[in-house]
Amino acid sequence: QSVLTQPPSASGTPGQRVTISCSGSSSNIGSNYVYWYQQLPGTAPKLLIYRNNQRPSGVPDRFSGSKSGTSASLAISGLRSEDEADYYCAAWDDSLSGYWVFGGGTKLTVL
Amino acid sequence: EVQLVESGGGLVQPGGSLRLSCAASGFTFSSYSMNWVRQAPGKGLEWVSYISSSSSTIYYADSVKGRFTISRDNAKNSLYLQMNSLRAEDTAVYYCARNTRGLGFDYWGQGTLVTVSS
Repeated sequence: QSVLTQPPSASGTPGQRVTISCSGSSSNIGSNYVYWYQQLPGTAPKLLIYRNNQRPSGVPDRFSGSKSGTSASLAISGLRSEDEADYYCAAWDDSLSGYWVFGGGTKLTVL
Repeated sequence: EVQLVESGGGLVQPGGSLRLSCAASGFTFSSYSMNWVRQAPGKGLEWVSYISSSSSTIYYADSVKGRFTISRDNAKNSLYLQMNSLRAEDTAVYYCARNTRGLGFDYWGQGTLVTVSS
């Protein structure tokens, strides 16, 4: 059971806009930045969004992040076949001695 | 170019030990905190451990506390994970990941597979 909650799957057709949600609590998303990672099949995860809504250089502006309270979301517009991957949200959790927490991941299928 | 290369994975019996290494290059290793993150077959990501740039601060996930030890050698640009009392549920690909403040895990290695089985 992951600390952050994501839907296990999402789908869309090419050109569509899809959103992936990530729900947490006051000790993680509610008080810290949210990060998103993309994991293409058979590869290591890659940083997609940092500080809730910032894109590293090289990440297309089709990807955007947002945060409100204890929830966050990743939006992908103009969906492309190469976006088919697993997406994970993450945040630092201030409870106990502190630790990183991930969502369970969302498998995005491009139909 | 930032590179992180893990090694040391393999097959080990339950109760056994293994030491993972992560060789870093392309950046000033001693200036960055580092982490180990694992992924069981077909499962999601699980953070395992964190070590600050000077080794002064270390955190562990509850699932490995008391069994795993993270360390680093800044002179050798290397990160380590000593894994003892291994269990079947520790079977996973282990990634080392650089931690930049405010950027999260900004670079990842390719991972090394650890299989705990008799």
